[in-house]
Amino acid sequence: AQKITQTQPGMFVQEKEAVTLDCTYDTSDQSYGLFWYKQPSSGEMIFLIYQGSYDEQNATEGRYSLNFQKARKSANLVISASQLGDSAMYFCAMRELYARNYQLIWGAGTKLIIKP
Amino acid sequence: GAVVSQHPSWVICKSGTSVKIECRSLDFQATTMFWYRQFPKQSLMLMATSNEGSKATYEQGVEKDKFLINHASLTLSTLTVTSAHPEDSSFYICSASGSGGQPQHFGDGTRLSIL
Repeated sequence: AQKITQTQPGMFVQEKEAVTLDCTYDTSDQSYGLFWYKQPSSGEMIFLIYQGSYDEQNATEGRYSLNFQKARKSANLVISASQLGDSAMYFCAMRELYARNYQLIWGAGTKLIIKP
Repeated sequence: GAVVSQHPSWVICKSGTSVKIECRSLDFQATTMFWYRQFPKQSLMLMATSNEGSKATYEQGVEKDKFLINHASLTLSTLTVTSAHPEDSSFYICSASGSGGQPQHFGDGTRLSIL
């Protein structure tokens, strides 16, 4: 079974609009962490934001925020005021408490294209 | 902070040669390093995990003798693709994390093309 599901293979968004990238997860652990990474066409993986399962507040980092709904097991990434430079692949990942070597489980990714 | 340097960024070589890729953590001690392979338009596939001073732990289906991993210090891990063939052509990317399950920080990746 998929542990991390990103249902949007691709998205087109107009510049300056907000965008929400979906991520749902599946785990029986009580303690886990959720991550979002950005991968531009150049290939590097850029860490964006982290949410711990016990964090009561939604994580925010500049224009990025994580809409964490624990009961629904969703951890959507929200990008406010999108910019052309936001065009990239976005990956959601989860780390379970008892994961060997703190390994990450990756979603399939969403390709975001920002239109001028 | 948390900079990971991966070298080289692009390699083209002939079939049968061995290729070494380096992954260095520049400003922190990397207790654990991860090696991933990524096919076009796909997600990251974990190949192996290495802890400093220990043998690497390989994921199922990854050939240990084909992909040699060394993690000799807290700042350096290497991946050697031995006797590379065209099917080994791919994007390889490393990541490093400090102790206690800190976030993984990634190198810029290596595009490997075997002719």
